[in-house]
Amino acid sequence: GAVVSQHPSRVICKSGTSVKIECRSLDFQATTMFWYRQFPKKSLMLMATSNEGSKATYEQGVEKDKFLINHASLTLSTLTVTSAHPEDSSFYICSAHSRDFNEQFFGPGTRLTVL
Amino acid sequence: DQQVKQNSPSLSVQEGRISILNCDYTNSMFDYFLWYKKYPAEGPTFLISISSIKDKNEDGRFTVFLNKSAKHLSLHIVPSQPGDSAVYFCAAGAGSYQLTFGKGTKLSVIP
Repeated sequence: GAVVSQHPSRVICKSGTSVKIECRSLDFQATTMFWYRQFPKKSLMLMATSNEGSKATYEQGVEKDKFLINHASLTLSTLTVTSAHPEDSSFYICSAHSRDFNEQFFGPGTRLTVL
Repeated sequence: DQQVKQNSPSLSVQEGRISILNCDYTNSMFDYFLWYKKYPAEGPTFLISISSIKDKNEDGRFTVFLNKSAKHLSLHIVPSQPGDSAVYFCAAGAGSYQLTFGKGTKLSVIP
């Protein structure tokens, strides 16, 4: 089956620093990747939709300058949280849409803690 | 090792009948569970959740049942409508963060 990986799985950083999270589709090409944020015990919030080779589409209320998304290849999308603050602490999940399987596969998530 | 399993990749149901989607889990540390619905080429949307201290949660046509002893939960949709046709993901969480998703069940509601 299709596998999506995320790296790192867990990161702790100081306030003001930037953190990059990678999302990779390991055995399929993903033309579209989604980035989600999960708040404690709450549902996922879609942050942005990332299409390979083009700019990401951000959901309302998500700061594009703060959450930089790059989808440079068919197997890799990155989310960079710039100038992180404690309120950015959350669980970030990516998913990748496989054209071959015509379905979406979730990554395992990245837990970000900003001190 | 898959901690959240949705053993039926697909399900077909007649319009007006009940749809029952099943999910099994292995990690006894999970303390809350969620169901998501996903249409093709869109991200999943939250549907309903249940805490491990409950055995049932109802929201309109959607009811989630949790059987902790069997480590099993199910989503009931009554009555099923053609617009319910989508892929349904079961997810489980432990503590405040980190969801583990099942692989999804594709529901087709036949008019």
